Amino acid sequence: GAGVSQSPRYKVTKRGQDVALRCDPISGHVSLYWYRQALGQGPEFLTYFNYEAQQDKSGLPNDRFSAERPEGSISTLTIQRTEQRDSAMYRCASSIGRLAGGRETQYFGPGTRLLVL
Amino acid sequence: QQPVQSPQAVILREGEDAVINCSSSKALYSVHWYRQKHGEAPVFLMILLKGGEQKGHEKISASFNEKKQQSSLYLTASQLSYSGTYFCGTNFGNEKLTFGTGTRLTIIP
Repeated sequence: GAGVSQSPRYKVTKRGQDVALRCDPISGHVSLYWYRQALGQGPEFLTYFNYEAQQDKSGLPNDRFSAERPEGSISTLTIQRTEQRDSAMYRCASSIGRLAGGRETQYFGPGTRLLVL
Repeated sequence: QQPVQSPQAVILREGEDAVINCSSSKALYSVHWYRQKHGEAPVFLMILLKGGEQKGHEKISASFNEKKQQSSLYLTASQLSYSGTYFCGTNFGNEKLTFGTGTRLTIIP
C-alpha cells in the first residue's frame, strides 16, 4: 500500500515569505507527527496530532510555525515569515494508533527539503 | 533529554558484527530503532518495550536494560545493505519520540 507522502519534495523560498508543507499519512493512521531533521542528526519533534486534534506542539520553535489537520487526515505545516535558520528537512510520520508508551510504529515520509535564501 | 548513541561511527567488513548503544538520562518506556540511508526516510527496525516485549524484524536483535536506561542493537554477519545511519528513538511514556545522536555504519566488501 501507499506510504506517507509529502509535498513539495523541495522548496526554495526567499526570506520573509510564507511556506506551507503538506503531509498525506498512510490511510487509516490516526496519529500524525511533524519532525525537523538537520543534516546528520536525528529527527527533532515539532508537533503531533491525534485525529484532527493537535495534542502536543511543544517542539514548534516559535509562533511563526503552525500546523493543522482539519479533517484528521492530511496535515499542513506552515512557516510564516521564513528565516534562513528555518532551512532544514521537514519530515512527517504517521502511526496507526497513539504512541502512548511507545507501542506503535511510526512510518516516516520522504520529507520536504526547505531552503530559505 | 536526547539519548546518546555510541559509537558515533563504525566501519566493518562484510560479515563482521557490530553493536550500537543508546543511553538515556531518563527512565524509558520504550526504545525504537531506525535505519536511515543517505537521502532517504528513516526506516523502522524494532521497538523494545518496558517489560521485555519486542516488535520488529526477525533478523535484527536488540536488548533493553530498563535499570540502566540503555538499549543495544546487535548487527551480526553484516551485509552491504546494513550501511546507513542508525537512530534510536526513546519514549518516556508520552506521545512522542526523542531521537538520539545517530551512529553511522559503513560496510565495506
